[in-house]
Amino acid sequence: AQKVTQAQTEISVVEKEDVTLDCVYETRDTTYYLFWYKQPPSGELVFLIRRNSFDEQNEISGRYSWNFQKSTSSFNFTITASQVVDSAVYFCALSDLGGDYKLSFGAGTTVTVRA
Amino acid sequence: DTGVSQNPRHKITKRGQNVTFRCDPISEHNRLYWYRQTLGQGPEFLTYFQNEAQLEKSRLLSDRFSAERPKGSFSTLEIQRTEQGDSAMYLCASSGSTGLLTEAFFGQGTRLTVV
Repeated sequence: AQKVTQAQTEISVVEKEDVTLDCVYETRDTTYYLFWYKQPPSGELVFLIRRNSFDEQNEISGRYSWNFQKSTSSFNFTITASQVVDSAVYFCALSDLGGDYKLSFGAGTTVTVRA
Repeated sequence: DTGVSQNPRHKITKRGQNVTFRCDPISEHNRLYWYRQTLGQGPEFLTYFQNEAQLEKSRLLSDRFSAERPKGSFSTLEIQRTEQGDSAMYLCASSGSTGLLTEAFFGQGTRLTVV
């Protein structure tokens, strides 16, 4: 069974601060995908990043970066220089590599960025 | 194409009534997914279609739930004899299928309230 744990329920920061969201996962699969999604108040889930289990290289994409550590089953996500528009619920998710996109989501972390 | 469209956006129904939701995926996408999201939780996978074939159903999908995708385009999710525990956001997503896992796009969801 797959399980995703986001221990942080809520994070509140002042604009321009960095925000790091923690994600720990469990899976018996040796190959899998990890994702981060953003859910603004409108309700739509917005895809942010995807990483497959073969590639532990950490990258930066604009103000987003992630730290994937297979040894600790963690996939943390950082927003640099946060903005008010970053306020949303952020979900970490896990999928096997079967290609069917059946995602297992964490409970989400609510990020509030204050001006 | 404006993305995944779900109707209605909100539905209030009395316990015991039947409800039906509709999802129109992105036109060229052959995969369609239904998820359920309760308050304060991440989405949970319900079922998935490839074209008109329903390939997988979660155990969360009780006998009162039925999903169809008759022509491989739009999909409907029907809940019969609704219960208060069915109150949730029902999310639809679609993705393409090119051999590798492609990004899934989510709709804004249908929020169901059973009173």
